[in-house]
Amino acid sequence: DVKVTQSSRYLVKRTGEKVFLECVQDMDHENMFWYRQDPGLGLRLIYFSYDVKMKEKGDIPEGYSVSREKKERFSLILESASTNQTSMYLCASSEQGYSNQPQHFGDGTRLSIL
Amino acid sequence: KNEVEQSPQNLTAQEGEFITINCSYSVGISALHWLQQHPGGGIVSLFMLSSGKKKHGRLIATINIQEKHSSLHITASHPRDSAVYICAVFPPNTGNQFYFGTGTSLTVIP
Repeated sequence: DVKVTQSSRYLVKRTGEKVFLECVQDMDHENMFWYRQDPGLGLRLIYFSYDVKMKEKGDIPEGYSVSREKKERFSLILESASTNQTSMYLCASSEQGYSNQPQHFGDGTRLSIL
Repeated sequence: KNEVEQSPQNLTAQEGEFITINCSYSVGISALHWLQQHPGGGIVSLFMLSSGKKKHGRLIATINIQEKHSSLHITASHPRDSAVYICAVFPPNTGNQFYFGTGTSLTVIP
């Protein structure tokens, strides 16, 4: 079974702090994704990566950056956290290619910015 | 603009009822994905389909590519089916990105 592990289930930080959310997958997947999920808006893509050191902006990249130094790890960084970044953050991974590969999700990190 | 619309947004059913959740989409796709999210957040994949029908236990998913519509059916519903069900579509040539619906929150009452 694919395992996608997010480092924290719950996290509370203060406005202006630099926040790191970590995600690790154990299936050697090329693609990794970061989403945020808000009531009434569904899942929105922040960034994705299709290879080590490669990244692409999603729909809502403002205020975020990412790092993928190793294939199994994809980090989401909030450079200077703000209250409107309070949300549920979900990481996912999938195999490479355009052959309809399903995405495998972590359990999510519920982040509160005070 | 929302490429994927789900209905209903919220659904309450009695245990044993037959349940249908609908998903309509406006883009061309190569596949559609049904996901389940339990309270607590984790998302699991239920089905991925590009035509016809798939069945797994009490769950059935159908898709009509011409009408750009999919349904998820749950037969003999049970309280453990209570979750948010999310439809996601996979347009071709988008680097494995999905467009997601906002989800249908299902509560099954004993």
